[in-house]
Amino acid sequence: DIQLTQSPSSLSASVGDRVTITCRASQDIRTYLNWYQHQPGKVPRLLIYAASSFHTGVPSRFSGSGSGTDFTLTISSLQPEDSATYYCQQSFSRTPTFGQGTKLEIK
Amino acid sequence: QVQLLQPGAELKKPGASVKVSCQASGYTFPSFGISWVRQAPGQGLEWMAWINPYNGNTNSAQKFQGRVTLTTDKSTSTAYMELRSLRSDDTAMYYCARDLYYGSGSFLDHWGQGTLVTVSS
Repeated sequence: DIQLTQSPSSLSASVGDRVTITCRASQDIRTYLNWYQHQPGKVPRLLIYAASSFHTGVPSRFSGSGSGTDFTLTISSLQPEDSATYYCQQSFSRTPTFGQGTKLEIK
Repeated sequence: QVQLLQPGAELKKPGASVKVSCQASGYTFPSFGISWVRQAPGQGLEWMAWINPYNGNTNSAQKFQGRVTLTTDKSTSTAYMELRSLRSDDTAMYYCARDLYYGSGSFLDHWGQGTLVTVSS
């Protein structure tokens, strides 16, 4: 299986901060990388697919980049409602896998 | 709008089986895959398996092979996930999600509300 390692595992930031989460794949996955937001008590929500394409309705402060083995999710100006756990997921292989998650807290 | 309806909860004993349903609406059911993802308490998301409702093709993570069966009923636009030989560490929230395939990749764009499966004697 392709392993995805996210860093950091958790972070705390203030409203208005620029936040970056990274996801490293154990092998080249081209751009077959998605990002999801999961808030407690809610359903996971697709943010970014194919490394950098926005899903419908996602605020423009979220962006994704990368290819090969290294990817980033950036929140340009953190909002209170962005408190959540963020997961990357690869769809390069026939058995998709998720990263372990990055828990983002608002100070 | 796209909706995936799942039952709220199931309580099962160790060694039993559970069959979770996922009724789709708001789109052409055979045109999109359905993936199953679970989240154990305090853990992250774990992809389990996938089915193509159009032709019934399935794929599953190695750790679930031999223990999970995916089926669909196109007449009711419902997907099912059966997990056998349940253990306490199968206690988790189980989500179905619409799997949209593009080119050589895919993503999960709509999710059910989840079914909490509790395995306890």
